[in-house]
Amino acid sequence: GQNIDQPTEMTATEGAIVQINCTYQTSGFNGLFWYQQHAGEAPTFLSYNVLDGLEEKGRFSSFLSRSKGYSYLLLKELQMKDSASYLCAPRNDGNNRKLIWGLGTSLAVNP
Amino acid sequence: DTAVSQTPKYLVTQMGNDKSIKCEQNLGHDTMYWYKQDSKKFLKIMFSYNNKELIINETVPNRFSPKSPDKAHLNLHINSLELGDSAVYFCASSHSRAGNTIYFGEGSWLTVV
Repeated sequence: GQNIDQPTEMTATEGAIVQINCTYQTSGFNGLFWYQQHAGEAPTFLSYNVLDGLEEKGRFSSFLSRSKGYSYLLLKELQMKDSASYLCAPRNDGNNRKLIWGLGTSLAVNP
Repeated sequence: DTAVSQTPKYLVTQMGNDKSIKCEQNLGHDTMYWYKQDSKKFLKIMFSYNNKELIINETVPNRFSPKSPDKAHLNLHINSLELGDSAVYFCASSHSRAGNTIYFGEGSWLTVV
């Protein structure tokens, strides 16, 4: 079957570092996306990993281990505006290349 | 310029009505999508078109019918609206079905009363 597992909620302090984990099972694999969604807004693209390892992009980094079906999103120097939901979405490798969306992790950044 | 634009942004309508949501992308992408996000924030794919060809058609009621007049447009028509159709509907696009970035529109908040 296809399944995504990530924590429902997390809390962190401004300036800190937080790691949001995601484990997944898909029918084949063709990359994994992380999206950020603020309340009442559309999801916005953060990162895409298709090979194992760490991809760094400013304060945000994303890691992938295909053999373990595992990814994490690392947020450094947290800011209040980082309070949002973070969605992990692996893509299968069928003809339609469908993304499988998790329910997301709601991150609250406190002062 | 908005990359993926959808209208209307807010729609309140009565049960049984028929309504449409329009979507346009100016990114030159080949692939477009319709997603539904319910009150539990679960984002679910409904349809995807690649160059006007339907490639994803999830198990949704046949009251929902997508139409893609060209690859820059993907409209969603909903017949005989029901209370359970209340949700946010997001249009999205990507360069191709294997594109490494999917861009979302701002969403259309549909409330059925």
